[in-house]
Amino acid sequence: QQQVKQSPQSLIVQKGGISIINCAYENTAFDYFPWYQQFPGKGPALLIAIRPDVSEKKEGRFTISFNKSAKQFSLHIMDSQPGDSATYFCAASIPWNAGNMLTFGGGTRLMVKP
Amino acid sequence: DAGVIQSPRHEVTEMGQEVTLRCKPISGHDYLFWYRQTMMRGLELLIYFNNNVPIDDSGMPEDRFSAKMPNASFSTLKIQPSEPRDSAVYFCASSPQSTGNTIYFGEGSWLTVV
Repeated sequence: QQQVKQSPQSLIVQKGGISIINCAYENTAFDYFPWYQQFPGKGPALLIAIRPDVSEKKEGRFTISFNKSAKQFSLHIMDSQPGDSATYFCAASIPWNAGNMLTFGGGTRLMVKP
Repeated sequence: DAGVIQSPRHEVTEMGQEVTLRCKPISGHDYLFWYRQTMMRGLELLIYFNNNVPIDDSGMPEDRFSAKMPNASFSTLKIQPSEPRDSAVYFCASSPQSTGNTIYFGEGSWLTVV
């Protein structure tokens, strides 16, 4: 039972373009929504995260947009670079003191063409 | 900080053999997780520990899989007997309770069962 649905599965963007990856969740108890970035041969690493009390969080070229009523959140990568080519996972978690587990989306393989 | 350390990084074994994957979490982290990553199923949580105690093993696929955490600095995931369908990347991750859900992954153990 997949609680976090991620789309698209793969994405090709030209250098300088905007990459957009979307996620939808079902469990309204989720209160923490991170994005992880994974390069080939490496483990996923935290990229950026948001809590539902804000609608947007920006760190450099990376922005999370969060829509609580629609139960959706998305990652925007501005001015995409070839070095951003990686697999991106969204995730969601219930409050840590109720069980510290992340539920991951299926992943999006991003390729940024030079 | 050394990060989460996993061994072996790569293992090729014959069907029916016992496989033991090892993990050293980041010092001071309260939670330890074992994930499995495949193309078909993405990132799956197998089991997680809090303060060395297994909390949720509902993701362990079958009795052939077992995990232990004898102390705060060491955990093992064992597969006995191994089968070709166990071929995957197995990630260990750890998390400090204080940061509320941020999980730090190791670089993974690439298992191939032939």
